Amino acid sequence: DTEVTQTPKHLVMGMTNKKSLKCEQHMGHRAMYWYKQKAKKPPELMFVYSYEKLSINESVPSRFSPECPNSSLLNLHLHALQPEDSALYLCASSQEAGALNEQFFGPGTRLTVL
Amino acid sequence: KNEVEQSPQNLTAQEGEFITINCSYSVGISALHWLQQHPGGGIVSLFMLSSGKKKHGRLIATINIQEKHSSLHITASHPRDSAVYICAVSGNQFYFGTGTSLTVIP
Repeated sequence: DTEVTQTPKHLVMGMTNKKSLKCEQHMGHRAMYWYKQKAKKPPELMFVYSYEKLSINESVPSRFSPECPNSSLLNLHLHALQPEDSALYLCASSQEAGALNEQFFGPGTRLTVL
Repeated sequence: KNEVEQSPQNLTAQEGEFITINCSYSVGISALHWLQQHPGGGIVSLFMLSSGKKKHGRLIATINIQEKHSSLHITASHPRDSAVYICAVSGNQFYFGTGTSLTVIP
C-alpha cells in the first residue's frame, strides 16, 4: 500500500462547528505532515509529527488542533474557523522527518467555511 | 524574495513539444523535489534529487548544485501532462516554489 488517504474529500462547515479531518497511511512512515494550500499558491506547512510526537508547529492558530493517535493516523481538529481558513488541506507522510525523505501526499480535503 | 523561484509561471505547449521548467533556489539544501499537482488537488512526487540527473519515462530532472538550479524536462508532451509543476527544496526547512502551470494543447 503506497498511498496516503484523506477523508472527507470535501467539507463545508459553519464558523461555530467542530469537525475533524483524517489522514491515514500504511507505508510504515514515521513522519506525517499537515499543509494548507490556498488557490494558486504553494502549500504552506502547518504541522509535522515525528514518531507520533509534534515536532513542528508553524505558528498555526489554536483553532486548528492536530492529533496523532498512532503511527498510521493523523487528525486535524477544527473549531471556530474563519472564512479565510477555506482552503485545500493536504496531508503527507515520509519515512522519517528529514531533508532527504521523499514526501507522499494525499488527495487533500477541500474545506469551505461559511 | 522567495527562497525558490520557478519559471515560467505559465506555459502553453502543443502536443509533442519538448518542455522545460526551471527552478532556482537561494538556500542550502539537502535535496530538491519536483511535484505535480492536477486540478482538484492531489500532489504527486515526481523526483527527489540531490545531484546529477534522473529520468522516469518522458520526464527528466537535472540539478546543478554549484549554480543552485534545477530543470524539469518533459519530452513528447501530452495533454495529460497538463498540471501545475512545483519545485521544492528541503534542508533545514522545506520551501516550495510558486509553481508552473502547464497546459498542453492537442
